[in-house]
Amino acid sequence: EAQVTQNPRYLITVTGKKLTVTCSQNMNHEYMSWYRQDPGLGLRQIYYSMNVEVTDKGDVPEGYKVSRKEKRNFPLILESPSPNQTSLYFCASSRSTAPGGYSPLHFGNGTRLTVT
Amino acid sequence: QKEVEQNSGPLSVPEGAIASLNCTYSDRVSQSFFWYRQYSGKSPELIMSIYSNGDKEDGRFTAQLNKASQYVSLLIRDSQPSDSATYLCALTDYGQNFVFGPGTRLSVLP
Repeated sequence: EAQVTQNPRYLITVTGKKLTVTCSQNMNHEYMSWYRQDPGLGLRQIYYSMNVEVTDKGDVPEGYKVSRKEKRNFPLILESPSPNQTSLYFCASSRSTAPGGYSPLHFGNGTRLTVT
Repeated sequence: QKEVEQNSGPLSVPEGAIASLNCTYSDRVSQSFFWYRQYSGKSPELIMSIYSNGDKEDGRFTAQLNKASQYVSLLIRDSQPSDSATYLCALTDYGQNFVFGPGTRLSVLP
């Protein structure tokens, strides 16, 4: 089954304790990205990657790191989490182009992170 | 900074009626437009992509795009209670930055 897999689904941690949220896709997509979703603010892009070893900042990159060493994996790293990073996080992937435009995003199931 | 605006709702329609969801955007460079449905606590699911001006139909859903007016809409015919969800409008310019609207909450009343 074609899918984007995120782990863990739920994560509770404390301020300053480094954590990694994994994301993997099995569709051979070039493009991958991370979003956070907060009430009243909608989905906001954190980082994206157009291909292996190519990453770039989205709208809210502060406090996050990413890496793209393999095409299928795009982990999100919080080196020193803070309470304002409590949010619902989504990983997404896309095959980049489609006839007439750009392909839509396919989303993982989400990771609900709580930082206390 | 690209902006996407949607009426937050809730938009309430009776079962069987047509639900009309609207979205405006600020960036004239945007090329590709998408509608997603999101149930509470779940991930967004793609309903439709639209790339050129005009209408695009898929089952009970019709997307309409007007690039000159910077406007995209989604019509849901024969609305069902299972259509009750938040509908997200999204766009991208060159397939790098995807920008989402805040979503419109739709409630279909039995």
